[in-house]
Amino acid sequence: NAGVTQTPKFRILKIGQSMTLQCAQDMNHNYMYWYRQDPGMGLKLIYYSVGAGITDKGEVPNGYNVSRSTTEDFPLRLELAAPSQTSVYFCASTNNRGSEAFFGQGTRLTVV
Amino acid sequence: GQQLNQSPQSMFIQEGEDVSMNCTSSSIFNTWLWYKQDPGEGPVLLIALYKAGELTSNGRLTAQFGITRKDSFLNISASIPSDVGIYFCAGPGGGGADGLTFGKGTHLIIQP
Repeated sequence: NAGVTQTPKFRILKIGQSMTLQCAQDMNHNYMYWYRQDPGMGLKLIYYSVGAGITDKGEVPNGYNVSRSTTEDFPLRLELAAPSQTSVYFCASTNNRGSEAFFGQGTRLTVV
Repeated sequence: GQQLNQSPQSMFIQEGEDVSMNCTSSSIFNTWLWYKQDPGEGPVLLIALYKAGELTSNGRLTAQFGITRKDSFLNISASIPSDVGIYFCAGPGGGGADGLTFGKGTHLIIQP
């Protein structure tokens, strides 16, 4: 049982480049989330989805976009990378709102 | 929005010592979750609490849901080297959305 799988694990981007962070879960969870983690700051919610075809903004959505075409996949898109987006990104999924979340291993992104 | 304050921010202890950390919120929570994050990994759920006053154990870990529903405590007994990591408290509601709000974490460092 793979749980939540994120790719890539590491990436270096130049300012202005774009990329998509992939996230897939095999637990048939309805809720999926994207968080970013900065040193000493805990995790902040970027976007979330309550089911296929439905997405909504979290606490820090600027500079990001998401889509949810299937229950399993929840990709995060950076269109114009900026140094402020250097962070570790975690995808998570849950069965119910606000309940125990299962996390992927993270994507460490550096924008230079 | 909701805020979670974790303390202490970091702890330096000797192997074998007991550890105690806590989390307080600015509003009432219906669920308290405690996660541990190892270096380079995503957070992993340790204990989930769903009822005010609830005391739950997971091996050497014990967590309590405060009576006021605005705080929670995590204790680790007889610490061992693999307890090193960052411990996060979390509760429902992130950025006014259907996510989890996380504290900033307690860094646990164990000296042999």
